[in-house]
Formats: sequence, C-alpha cells, structure tokens
Amino acid sequence: DIQMTQSPSILSASVGDRVTITCRASQSISTWLAWYQQKPGKAPKFLIHKASSLESGVPSRFSGSGSGTEFTLTISSLQSDDFATYYCQQYDRYPLTFGGGTKVEI
Amino acid sequence: EVQLLESGGGLVQPGGSLRLSCVASGFTFMNYAMGWVRQAPGKGLEWVSVISGPGGSTNDADFAKGRFTISRDNIKDILYLEMNNLRAEDTAVYYCAKDHTNSWYYIAFDMWGHGTMVTVSS
Repeated sequence: DIQMTQSPSILSASVGDRVTITCRASQSISTWLAWYQQKPGKAPKFLIHKASSLESGVPSRFSGSGSGTEFTLTISSLQSDDFATYYCQQYDRYPLTFGGGTKVEI
Repeated sequence: EVQLLESGGGLVQPGGSLRLSCVASGFTFMNYAMGWVRQAPGKGLEWVSVISGPGGSTNDADFAKGRFTISRDNIKDILYLEMNNLRAEDTAVYYCAKDHTNSWYYIAFDMWGHGTMVTVSS
C-alpha cells in the first residue's frame, strides 16, 4: 500500500499568512494526487486534482505542486474561511489512501 | 446541482449488519464511478470501496473485503453499501462520494454527501 504522510499535523497561522502543507508518498504516484479541505462536522471539499489542477470555484489563493513523491498545497494569503483540516489523497493505485491530515488553526 | 444524500446509519451490535444508501441527483449517475469513504470519530479519512459507473467493477479496502459489498442501481440512481459482521472499529461517519471524471481509472472524489453515522456497540 502507498503511505501518504502529511506535515505538519498542526499548523498555527494568522490571516494573511502564506501557508504550505507537505504531502509525501511512500512511492511514486506521478501527479495522481488530490487535496481536500474539511471543516468540523462537514463533508470534505475537493480543492485540487492531478496535483496542481484547481477545481472550479476554488479560490485562486490555493495552489498545488509536485510530482513523484513530494507534493505541496499552498495558500498564498490565509483567510478566516481557510481554517480547517486539509487532506491529501493518492489515486495512482489501489488501495486509495489519504494522508493523516493537517489542521490549520489560529 | 449535484446532491448526494446518505441514509441507513445507526446503532448496531457487534456482528450485526446494516445497509447504507446514497440517493444521487443533479448528474448522470450511471456515467460516474462512486465510492464510500469513512471517518472514525476524531480521525482522518479512510477509503472503503468504489464501484464503476455501469456497476461491473468494484474495488475494496482490505478491511472491507468479505464483509462489505458495494452496489448500485442505475435506474433509481442509488448507491449502496451492505455491511456485515460489523466490528467496533467500523464505527465512523460513512460518506458517499462521486468520482471527478467519467472514467473508471484514477478516482478522486469531487462531490460528497453529508455522511451517515454508524455506531457499532453492545
């Protein structure tokens, strides 16, 4: 199974900060990586697919990059609505696997 | 507007069974692979199972094999998850989710239901 490791697990930040979350795969997944945002008590929201393709309607302050085993999610200027937990997911092969999550908090 | 509405969760004793349903609307259901993802209380996301658009292909997480069965009704636009021999560790919110492309390959989920809670306890 491909293990997905996110860092940090908790990130303390302020409105306006540039925030970067890292996701590492235990083996190469090309660019078959998605990012999700989840707020407490809510379903995950699809942000990015194919490592860097922004989903329609997602603010342009979100961006993704990387390939192979190293990936990043960047929020260029953190807004109050962005405080949430972020997950990466590889979809190169089964079983589909998620990272452990990164909680972005004040 | 795409909508996914799960139901069927509840409290069940260890060893018991439940069938989850997910009613889909707002898109051509039969064209998309669908899946189930669960989240234990206070924990991260865990993929459970996926099924192809026509329903002829499925893939399950190891913990689901032999106990959980995913299926779909492309006439009624409903996704199912039949869960048998439930264990305490199956306690979680179960989300129904839609694949982001109309292909069976490379599945990521662009739309999610609100989830249904399954509690396995005596």
